[in-house]
Amino acid sequence: AQTVTQSQPEMSVQEAETVTLSCTYDTSESDYYLFWYKQPPSRQMILVIRQEAYKQQNATENRFSVNFQKAAKSFSLKISDSQLGDAAMYFCAPLGTSGSRLTFGEGTQLTVNP
Amino acid sequence: DTGVSQDPRHKITKRGQNVTFRCDPISEHNRLYWYRQTLGQGPEFLTYFQNEAQLEKSRLLSDRFSAERPKGSFSTLEIQRTEQGDSAMYLCASSFSPGEGLYEQYFGPGTRLTVT
Repeated sequence: AQTVTQSQPEMSVQEAETVTLSCTYDTSESDYYLFWYKQPPSRQMILVIRQEAYKQQNATENRFSVNFQKAAKSFSLKISDSQLGDAAMYFCAPLGTSGSRLTFGEGTQLTVNP
Repeated sequence: DTGVSQDPRHKITKRGQNVTFRCDPISEHNRLYWYRQTLGQGPEFLTYFQNEAQLEKSRLLSDRFSAERPKGSFSTLEIQRTEQGDSAMYLCASSFSPGEGLYEQYFGPGTRLTVT
């Protein structure tokens, strides 16, 4: 079983600046994956970045990077050089290797101000 | 377009009616998932298939809900005797899992159900 806590219901950032969204999780799995998804107002869920829990190196995908602290069960998302198109609801979601269900947090609504 | 597609995009129905939704996954993906999302919440897992086999069902999937994937390609989700509490966005996702490791899930645009 997995639980996810996203403690920031809303965040805002100025265009071109950097913002960090936090996520903590709990899991009984010994091996798992972690994902960040974004959901713009159109509501289609889009994969942003993924992290394998067995890897110590933090994942990076262009302007998006994560800070993965396995012992603390923390998985934050950093967005650099924020763009207007980054405005969306962001969800953190672990995925255990023994099952296939994504467990989503309640999300963080990100606003990007011009 | 080779992404996940869902039909219809919107459905309005009266309480007590039956509704059926369809999901077409990405063609080479062998796993297909259904989630439900209510306003202001993250999606909640309902069920998933590997090929035509339904491998897991959530407790959220009451007896009024049934899902099928008869040929291991598209899937249908049927809700019988709809209730107002069934109003939600129903999301479908697919992934490719060759047996070693799991791969990210790609989502469709969803079907928004409104029960009046």
